[in-house]
Amino acid sequence: DIHMTQSPSSLSASVGDGVTITCRASQGISNSLAWYQQRPGKAPKLLVYDASRLESGVPSRFSGSGSGTDYTLTISSLQPEDFADYYCQQYSGTPFTFGQGTKLEIK
Amino acid sequence: EVQLVESGGGLVPPGGSLRLSCTVSGFTFSNYWMYWVRQAPGKGLVWVSRINSDGDWTTYADSVRGRLTMSRDNARSTVFLQMNNLRADDTAVYYCAGRDFWTNGDYMDVWGRGTAVTVSS
Repeated sequence: DIHMTQSPSSLSASVGDGVTITCRASQGISNSLAWYQQRPGKAPKLLVYDASRLESGVPSRFSGSGSGTDYTLTISSLQPEDFADYYCQQYSGTPFTFGQGTKLEIK
Repeated sequence: EVQLVESGGGLVPPGGSLRLSCTVSGFTFSNYWMYWVRQAPGKGLVWVSRINSDGDWTTYADSVRGRLTMSRDNARSTVFLQMNNLRADDTAVYYCAGRDFWTNGDYMDVWGRGTAVTVSS
């Protein structure tokens, strides 16, 4: 199985700040990586796929990058609605695996 | 409007069975690969199963293989998860999710709101 190590597990920031979340795969995943946002009590929402492609309708302040085993999600200027949980997911092979999540909180 | 609505969750004793359903609208269901993903209370997301658009090929996580069975009825725009021999560690919110078969990757761009399953005596 491909293990996804996501960091940090929690993060405090202020509206307007920029933040970066990182995911490291236990082996190369050839950019087969997605990022999801999950607000409390809600379903996950796809933000980024293929490591860097922004899902339609997602604000441009979100961006993804990376290659090989290391990937990042960057939010350039936090808005109040961005405070949520974030998960990476690899789909290079089954079982599809998620990172353990990052809780982004308001400072 | 895209909608995925799960149902069938509830409280079941260890060893019991449940059948989850997910009925979709707002997109061409027969073009979509579908997935079940679960989330235990206070925990992260875990992929459970996948089914192709025709319904003739399924894939499962090791932890559920042989106990959970995914199927679909394209005429009813519904996907199912038959859950047998349930264990306490199956307790979770179960989300159905999907992606268009034209996309070149198993990421999920549509999601339901989930249905809660509690396995307890």
